[in-house]
Amino acid sequence: ELKVEQNPLFLSMQEGKNYTIYCNYSTTSDRLYWYRQDPGKSLESLFVLLSNGAVKQEGRLMASLDTKARLSTLHITAAVHDLSATYFCAVGDDTDMRFGAGTRLTVKP
Amino acid sequence: DTGVSQNPRHKITKRGQNVTFRCDPISEHNRLYWYRQTLGQGPEFLTYFQNEAQLEKSRLLSDRFSAERPKGSFSTLEIQRTEQGDSAMYLCASSLLGQGSEQYFGPGTRLTVT
Repeated sequence: ELKVEQNPLFLSMQEGKNYTIYCNYSTTSDRLYWYRQDPGKSLESLFVLLSNGAVKQEGRLMASLDTKARLSTLHITAAVHDLSATYFCAVGDDTDMRFGAGTRLTVKP
Repeated sequence: DTGVSQNPRHKITKRGQNVTFRCDPISEHNRLYWYRQTLGQGPEFLTYFQNEAQLEKSRLLSDRFSAERPKGSFSTLEIQRTEQGDSAMYLCASSLLGQGSEQYFGPGTRLTVT
């Protein structure tokens, strides 16, 4: 059974600092997604990673995928308060998409 | 607005009652998904449609749950004889057929069963 683990589950960081969120999954998959969710809101797609070694960047966020290690990272550069949200990774295909439990990020001034 | 829409946004019901939620996907999307999300957790897959065909159902979807997508357009999710454990956010998403197609999520329907 496909399992997806994120860590940390809670992250409090200062503005301007860098940090990385990790997403490990248990079975082979060549698709990985990162989503953002603000409190009380739905999920917003951030990145779609489709191959080993894929790297995508948008603003202060950069996501990468290592399918051999079954690991994806979401790197935050010079965090700002607007990045405070819960970040989910999801792995799988159309018939079995599994989400991690989420990383609740709080960026403090 | 051309995004995924869901109605109602909030529903409070008494245990044992039936409820129905509606999802309108992005118009050109042929795939539609239903998820359930409880507080502090990631979404859990419930079922998905390709056009009007329901192709997959999670074991989470008990006999009290049924979903339809007539004519491959909007979809409804019905829960019969609701239980307190059904309280959750029900999310709908849609996507285009194709490898790696990302799913676009609606705002969700928050169900509270009292």
